[in-house]
Formats: sequence, C-alpha cells, structure tokens
Amino acid sequence: EDQVTQSPEALRLQEGESSSLNCSYTVSGLRGLFWYRQDPGKGPEFLFTLYSAGEEKEKERLKATLTKKESFLHITAPKPEDSATYLCAVQANYNTDKLIFGTGTRLQVFP
Amino acid sequence: SQTIHQWPATLVQPVGSPLSLECTVEGTSNPNLYWYRQAAGRGLQLLFYSVGIGQISSEVPQNLSASRPQDRQFILSSKKLLLSDSGFYLCAWKRLAGVDEQFFGPGTRLTVL
Repeated sequence: EDQVTQSPEALRLQEGESSSLNCSYTVSGLRGLFWYRQDPGKGPEFLFTLYSAGEEKEKERLKATLTKKESFLHITAPKPEDSATYLCAVQANYNTDKLIFGTGTRLQVFP
Repeated sequence: SQTIHQWPATLVQPVGSPLSLECTVEGTSNPNLYWYRQAAGRGLQLLFYSVGIGQISSEVPQNLSASRPQDRQFILSSKKLLLSDSGFYLCAWKRLAGVDEQFFGPGTRLTVL
C-alpha cells in the first residue's frame, strides 16, 4: 500500500536555528513528490515538486531534496513567519492524478 | 493568473440536512478538478476528481457526491449529512497536461452537529 510518513509531528525552533523535516514514502513507482505549506485555517500553498533522486529545489530559506526512499525539507535560519504546517505528498506512476499526503509537520519558530 | 474560489468559507449544519459546496476556478481552461477532505490529525484524503464536464471519479465510497456542471465549476453535495462528514473541505485544480502540481483553494470548514 502506498504510504507517506512525516516526522517529526511537531518542531519548535528558535529564530535562526536551522533544521530539517523528513518525509519517507513507499510507492510502487514514484511520479513526483510535492511539498506544501499550510497556514491555520487555509488551503495548502504549493512549494516544490521533485521527480528523481538527487534532485534539489530551493526557495528563500527552504531547500527540498529527494532520495529513493525519502525527502527532506531543510529550513535555514528560520524566521517566525516560517511557522506553518508543512505537508508532503507523492504521486505514483500508475495513477496520474491521485496525491497521497502525509499528516504534516507543524513548525513553530520563536523569536 | 489563475484563482480558485470556494464557497462558503464556513458552514454549520445539523445531522440529516443537505449539503452543497461550490468551487470555481478562474484564468484557466479544461482544468482537472479535485475535492479533498482534511480531518484533524489526518492527511488530506482525495474524495473525487474530474477531468471534464460531467466526468466524475470517486476515490472513497461515502455519503457524498460530486458534479461538474461547467468547465470551471465543481460541486460537492450530500443529501443527508452525518456527524462524520465534519471536516475541512478543499478544492484543487491542475492543468490538464504539462505539470503535475495541484493548487488548492481556501477551503470550507464544515461542522455537522
């Protein structure tokens, strides 16, 4: 069964304290892996798509990387405005549209 | 640019009442459209998706149904709500081809009492 597991469930960081969020997945064939940011009470905001192992994408203080079994979202020198829930999702080769989501990592950055 | 709207933003309904949630997309043609539900402590669950007018695929058998009466309109309905239907309902769209990213609307918070 296709599955996505995110860890940790929650993460508290001091402003400027870099860290990484993990997304491990099991699918029969990966078409793409997606990272989203979700603020409380709002819809997810698209961040990155990764397609193959070794691929990296960057946006401001965020960098996403992909291996054959997991993806990391690295947050460098976070600011309080980076506080949000970060969601990971995978799309399997055999299904062109269905995204399988993890339960997310809730990040809190304190000044 | 593309914009996705959901209406209403919040809804409180009694058990057994009907439901109609609406999603509209602007600035694109022939999008793929999706309905997801997000329950507390759980990942987003795909409920329905549509690749064109009148074409609906159901992912999870349940008390809900979906319709696509126009190219950029997607509706989620129920004849009789259950307590378990409470949750955060999200509509998403994707270009028909070329990219795989799905873009989400602002969501509807449904509470069934």
